[in-house]
Amino acid sequence: NAGVMQNPRHLVRRRGQEARLRCSPMKGHSHVYWYRQLPEEGLKFMVYLQKENIIDESGMPKERFSAEFPKEGPSILRIQQVVRGDSAAYFCASSPAGASYEQYFGPGTRLTVT
Amino acid sequence: EDQVTQSPEALRLQEGESSSLNCSYTVSGLRGLFWYRQDPGKGPEFLFTLYSAGEEKEKERLKATLTKKESFLHITAPKPEDSATYLCAVQESGGSNYKLTFGKGTLLTVNP
Repeated sequence: NAGVMQNPRHLVRRRGQEARLRCSPMKGHSHVYWYRQLPEEGLKFMVYLQKENIIDESGMPKERFSAEFPKEGPSILRIQQVVRGDSAAYFCASSPAGASYEQYFGPGTRLTVT
Repeated sequence: EDQVTQSPEALRLQEGESSSLNCSYTVSGLRGLFWYRQDPGKGPEFLFTLYSAGEEKEKERLKATLTKKESFLHITAPKPEDSATYLCAVQESGGSNYKLTFGKGTLLTVNP
């Protein structure tokens, strides 16, 4: 009964490199949400995806950030040309269809930009 | 804009010393209020969902209550293993009702 899986758990990137964060939802869940937790801040909503659809990306910076949830495979959060301010913990949550009140979180990916 | 404020920011208790954590919120319409527990280096772990004022839910030493403006997480006779950051979040009713808006959390330390 695997929960939400995220990898890598820790990622170190130099400024200007690309970061790819992966999220596999719980079995039976078709909706994925990404949140970011900056130091000393609460978790902030970034994007909501269903299979092959971006439903709401209003919380995602307009530049350098993108997300996808393909028909097959995990959801990917991509950050291009990373900067030090991107250093944070990125959490993925998943829920069953029509049950966004049941969001279960993964362990997170801690991104460090040097 | 939705706002969720948790207090205190940090709380240190002795084992067995009961207390409460507060979460005050401002939303135009509440779909649900959520309590999560987060251990260091881990993701939030779901505890409770409350939907309407007057509702209460319990789990072991934890009890969550809800009014129209705030929620309390009561911890009765805590143990050291209850040490964690407790997060409160709300979902607003309406078009973006899937978004969780989080407070910054209360860091609870229970000393043996």
